[in-house]
Amino acid sequence: NAGVTQTPKFQVLKTGQSMTLQCAQDMNHNSMYWYRQDPGMGLRLIYYSASEGTTDKGEVPNGYNVSRLNKREFSLRLESAAPSQTSVYFCASSGEEVFSYEQYFGPGTRLTVT
Amino acid sequence: QQQVKQSPQSLIVQKGGISIINCAYENTAFDYFPWYQQFPGKGPALLIAIRPDVSEKKEGRFTISFNKSAKQFSLHIMDSQPGDSATYFCAASMNSGGYQKVTFGTGTKLQVIP
Repeated sequence: NAGVTQTPKFQVLKTGQSMTLQCAQDMNHNSMYWYRQDPGMGLRLIYYSASEGTTDKGEVPNGYNVSRLNKREFSLRLESAAPSQTSVYFCASSGEEVFSYEQYFGPGTRLTVT
Repeated sequence: QQQVKQSPQSLIVQKGGISIINCAYENTAFDYFPWYQQFPGKGPALLIAIRPDVSEKKEGRFTISFNKSAKQFSLHIMDSQPGDSATYFCAASMNSGGYQKVTFGTGTKLQVIP
């Protein structure tokens, strides 16, 4: 039982390049989330998927897109990376039950955009 | 708009001392208040959580105190140990359209010195 896994762990991009961050969970959770973590700002929600087949914007969605590929996998795509997207990205999941409160986080992806 | 305010930003405590981190929230619709612990290079992990109908919850050396009327809650770490050195995030959560909408504080970096 690996929990929430993310790939890659580190990535350096040049401005304008694109990339996809991958996330998978093996806990049969319904909801999945993408956060970014910046110094002094806590964790901010980028996008979430309440259940398979649905996705919605969070607090800071601009410059990102997501795909809920199936119940296990939720990917985050940067179409044209900008230096402001330099951050640590965390995927999380919650709930076999619909209103399950605890979120389980992956180990993160450290992204630098030059 | 920062809906969950956390203080202090950083905290240095001697081994065996008490660490106290405070948080305040604004939205009375929040109905779940978790604390997450994050070690360097890792994702956050749930430490302890409380619901607003309870004024205190204790798990081992970790205690949450909750004041509903003041819209404040705090984490107390008794007998602090060097292994407790980490960043702690308070959060406030509510159900929103079938998913858990979580608002995080900005984090407190705790260092416990021997």
